[in-house]
Amino acid sequence: DTGVSQDPRHKITKRGQNVTFRCDPISEHNRLYWYRQTLGQGPEFLTYFQNEAQLEKSRLLSDRFSAERPKGSFSTLEIQRTEQGDSAMYLCASSTAGTGEYEQYFGPGTRLTVT
Amino acid sequence: QKEVEQNSGPLSVPEGAIASLNCTYSDRGSQSFFWYRQYSGKSPELIMFIYSNGDKEDGRFTAQLNKASQYVSLLIRDSQPSDSATYLCAVAYYGQNFVFGPGTRLSVLP
Repeated sequence: DTGVSQDPRHKITKRGQNVTFRCDPISEHNRLYWYRQTLGQGPEFLTYFQNEAQLEKSRLLSDRFSAERPKGSFSTLEIQRTEQGDSAMYLCASSTAGTGEYEQYFGPGTRLTVT
Repeated sequence: QKEVEQNSGPLSVPEGAIASLNCTYSDRGSQSFFWYRQYSGKSPELIMFIYSNGDKEDGRFTAQLNKASQYVSLLIRDSQPSDSATYLCAVAYYGQNFVFGPGTRLSVLP
């Protein structure tokens, strides 16, 4: 049973460039979440999918951020025109949609550095 | 604005002692509660979840939930140096609207 995987693990980019991250959830999980975490803070919710449907999106998510989960399996998070304030750890988590089962399991994260 | 509050610490306890971590939340509609452990530079690891008022025990860990007081806690018995980490409290409405606290740093002294 493999866990949640994320790729790449580290990304360094110059301000203004676009970046894309990938998340592969645990195979039987149909809920997928994206978070952003900065030093000394807890994870901050960005968006949530159930299967291929994006059901929730944080008001904090600017128009430069977009996420997809086209076939209800892996997901991508794209950040356009990156800014230095986007530097953070981007975390993906997955869970089942079973009744009474809401536990999320996190991947290792993608650390983004914008120079 | 839904909020989850935790004492940032550090909370220092001697090896073998009980560590008590606390969390309060603002949204009375919250139904599911989680504790994650996060080592420096790593991603959060789920250690406990609780959905009903009362206590839930799993090995050395006990989660306690009091919805009337909007309070959830984590007790770690027989603390070990390997328990030294940041502990994140997360609150949700079933499988949605997850909000994480800032975390409490725990240091277990040998």
